[in-house]
Amino acid sequence: QKEVEQDPGPLSVPEGAIVSLNCTYSNSAFQYFMWYRQYSRKGPELLMYTYSSGNKEDGRFTAQVDKSSKYISLFIRDSQPSDSATYLCAMSVSSYKLIFGSGTRLLVRP
Amino acid sequence: DVKVTQSSRYLVKRTGEKVFLECVQDMDHENMFWYRQDPGLGLRLIYFSYDVKMKEKGDIPEGYSVSREKKERFSLILESASTNQTSMYLCASSLVAGGNYNEQFFGPGTRLTVL
Repeated sequence: QKEVEQDPGPLSVPEGAIVSLNCTYSNSAFQYFMWYRQYSRKGPELLMYTYSSGNKEDGRFTAQVDKSSKYISLFIRDSQPSDSATYLCAMSVSSYKLIFGSGTRLLVRP
Repeated sequence: DVKVTQSSRYLVKRTGEKVFLECVQDMDHENMFWYRQDPGLGLRLIYFSYDVKMKEKGDIPEGYSVSREKKERFSLILESASTNQTSMYLCASSLVAGGNYNEQFFGPGTRLTVL
């Protein structure tokens, strides 16, 4: 079993929809939970991070962590075609190592 | 802005060739990383370095080596390229931060094809 599981998609939604992206994990030692966004033919860039449980909001994006269920989510409100990308969850086990999910490809249709 | 650059965007090599992938970061980060990214497998850590001349194996180091002679530069070497090393290679860097916070900044990637 992988330490971090993420549905690869693709997830196709119409513009303006609310998008929910999710990851599950098995290691209860994870403390920092991150979402990276990767556009086609580019490297990943950090979108948001959350420490421990709870919610964090940044504009149209909300990151949610439920440590009791070992489940994290990224919600995108009022999705735009420019949000079309692959979204990778990542979890920090140390100051050196990140464990990545395999990524979910999102397509927002105009 | 942190900038991580990689020497090539696309590379085509033949089986058995020695391949060098170069990465440079401009923000004085202590840590540097090499990953490969394959469909369905996500990012897998090959090697990382936490200081000049220091290196640690990641999850899939077989068939690779690295070199870090200067703080800003981290090289990945494929001693004898094989077709199963065809992949996207991503370099990243990060600061040493408190606790387990580990924000990594990525380069644009090098798509390597081994024929």
